[in-house]
Amino acid sequence: GENVEQHPSTLSVQEGDSAVIKCTYSDSASNYFPWYKQELGKGPQLIIDIRSNVGEKKDQRIAVTLNKTAKHFSLHITETQPEDSAVYFCAASINSGYALNFGKGTSLLVTP
Amino acid sequence: EADIYQTPRYLVIGTGKKITLECSQTMGHDKMYWYQQDPGMELHLIHYSYGVNSTEKGDLSSESTVSRIRTEHFPLTLESARPSHTSQYLCASSERKGATGANVLTFGAGSRLTVL
Repeated sequence: GENVEQHPSTLSVQEGDSAVIKCTYSDSASNYFPWYKQELGKGPQLIIDIRSNVGEKKDQRIAVTLNKTAKHFSLHITETQPEDSAVYFCAASINSGYALNFGKGTSLLVTP
Repeated sequence: EADIYQTPRYLVIGTGKKITLECSQTMGHDKMYWYQQDPGMELHLIHYSYGVNSTEKGDLSSESTVSRIRTEHFPLTLESARPSHTSQYLCASSERKGATGANVLTFGAGSRLTVL
């Protein structure tokens, strides 16, 4: 089955700096890659997603890049703010979001 | 604003008790899920349902059971709780939406269970 590896497990950046979280997947048939953000005391929430026919997608300060050949994808957050502090999960699916396989999560801390 | 509700948010009970974690959604989603989140943050799928009277076990073996008698309701039951069941339980529902047309999950806030 699909195996999703996520790094780093913890990340601390200063406000205004950029943050990058990287994930690799094992199944070349995976065609959908979402990122979820979990704030303290809440459930995860989708923040951005990308399909395998697209190499990059951007939404304001967040962007996701996908390298199908290398089977890795990354989340980029620019101009980080304290409210970006949360746990971020990457995921991969071979079936457009059904049977998601989540990474183990990255705890991001943005310090003022 | 998520329209998926979990109760109780926090529960502390003794070993051997029967518990039911409630999950309700008002979005009319056919698909619903239960995830167990361990202290290390990792999410494990324990049950899912693709519609009324449909339930399947997830990737992580669990002693819990689920039922889906109504579209909006997907309760999880532990017949005899043990300390090893201490965890956070997250309910989710999904629909196809957005520019990607993919299956997007909406999560509840979670139920944190502690078994003494």
